[in-house]
Amino acid sequence: GQNIDQPTEMTATEGAIVQINCTYQTSGFNGLFWYQQHAGEAPTFLSYNVLDGLEEKGRFSSFLSRSKGYSYLLLKELQMKDSASYLCAVRGFYNQGGKLIFGQGTELSVKP
Amino acid sequence: EAGVTQFPSHSVIEKGQTVTLRCDPISGHDNLYWYRRVMGKEIKFLLHFVKESKQDESGMPNNRFLAERTGGTYSTLKVQPAELEDSGVYFCASSHLLTNEKLFFGSGTQLSVL
Repeated sequence: GQNIDQPTEMTATEGAIVQINCTYQTSGFNGLFWYQQHAGEAPTFLSYNVLDGLEEKGRFSSFLSRSKGYSYLLLKELQMKDSASYLCAVRGFYNQGGKLIFGQGTELSVKP
Repeated sequence: EAGVTQFPSHSVIEKGQTVTLRCDPISGHDNLYWYRRVMGKEIKFLLHFVKESKQDESGMPNNRFLAERTGGTYSTLKVQPAELEDSGVYFCASSHLLTNEKLFFGSGTQLSVL
């Protein structure tokens, strides 16, 4: 079966660093995505990993280990506006394009 | 550049009624996807259009759901007749044909079936 696991909720302090983990078990793998979703708004693309390693983009970084079926999203210098749901999603096969398998999302609360 | 727009943002209907959701993708995006999030569950794929053709409709729950994309521009998703379990948030997403990694999502339609 297809399964993507991530913590339901996390809390962190403004200015700190937080790591949101995601583990996956899928019948195929052709990329892992992270999306950010503020309440009532559209999910917005944060990152895409298809090869092992770390992808850095400003305050956000995403890591992938295909052999372990594991990824994390690292958020540095947390700001209040980073409070949102963070969605981990996997594409099973290349020809599936934007057909993604999502985790339930991690609700991140940033406190002052 | 306008993003993906969905209409209506909210819809409340009674069981047995018909509802039609609309999605306008970003101009020039040939790929259009419908996803759904039922309360307490993850976002799940419903179907994928490439231009006006259904590429993959493996996620459609049953034959009460009908999606169309006439002319390859906007898309509609009709639920007829609606059942209680159809309640949820319906998201539309689009992407460019050649850069399919990056999906642009709409804000969704919150459907409540009473």
